[in-house]
Amino acid sequence: DTAVSQTPKYLVTQMGNDKSIKCEQNLGHDTMYWYKQDSKKFLKIMFSYNNKELIINETVPNRFSPKSPDKAHLNLHINSLELGDSAVYFCASRGTDKNIQYFGAGTRLSVL
Amino acid sequence: QKEVEQDPGPLSVPEGAIVSLNCTYSNSAFQYFMWYRQYSRKGPELLMYTYSSGNKEDGRFTAQVDKSSKYISLFIRDSQPSDSATYLCATTNTGNQFYFGTGTSLTVIP
Repeated sequence: DTAVSQTPKYLVTQMGNDKSIKCEQNLGHDTMYWYKQDSKKFLKIMFSYNNKELIINETVPNRFSPKSPDKAHLNLHINSLELGDSAVYFCASRGTDKNIQYFGAGTRLSVL
Repeated sequence: QKEVEQDPGPLSVPEGAIVSLNCTYSNSAFQYFMWYRQYSRKGPELLMYTYSSGNKEDGRFTAQVDKSSKYISLFIRDSQPSDSATYLCATTNTGNQFYFGTGTSLTVIP
């Protein structure tokens, strides 16, 4: 039973397209995150939501828009995809133990 | 300057060796320190976390924090081929914002 699940696992698309990545957690956690991991494995936070409210919004192009319909879901929509958006995007959640994050398996985005 | 610096390696050791992985961090306000393990094409999974300075041991793994030098270490004893992965250090002070190192790629050769 997957705790944090992301779909799709792989996404190959053309420059200029719009795409969405979905994330769901069944852990009952209040806080969810989106991270971007580049080819050098550097994991950088993009957004964080706590109980559907945006609490962290790092310097990310406004082509990226997160949406949290409820506290178990955090989706990421990307407009006008660019080559530099190619990366692995990870969703994570955090519960009452503030220092433990649970990560999904990642979405590998390739922009051609 | 990045909040957390980590030598990316790669590191290659024979099975049974003791492995030492290290990070430095910049902000003395950081209180919690984590080590994540990431297998190829998987998400990071939490291995250990420590609060403030000191050591924490879990089986073959020991996490060490020296706040005076802002240094974080992970030691793996009797390394196994199944330990081959990328190891990411991370830190936080509030529990909301997490800062990760770039990861060290480790290969344990049978």
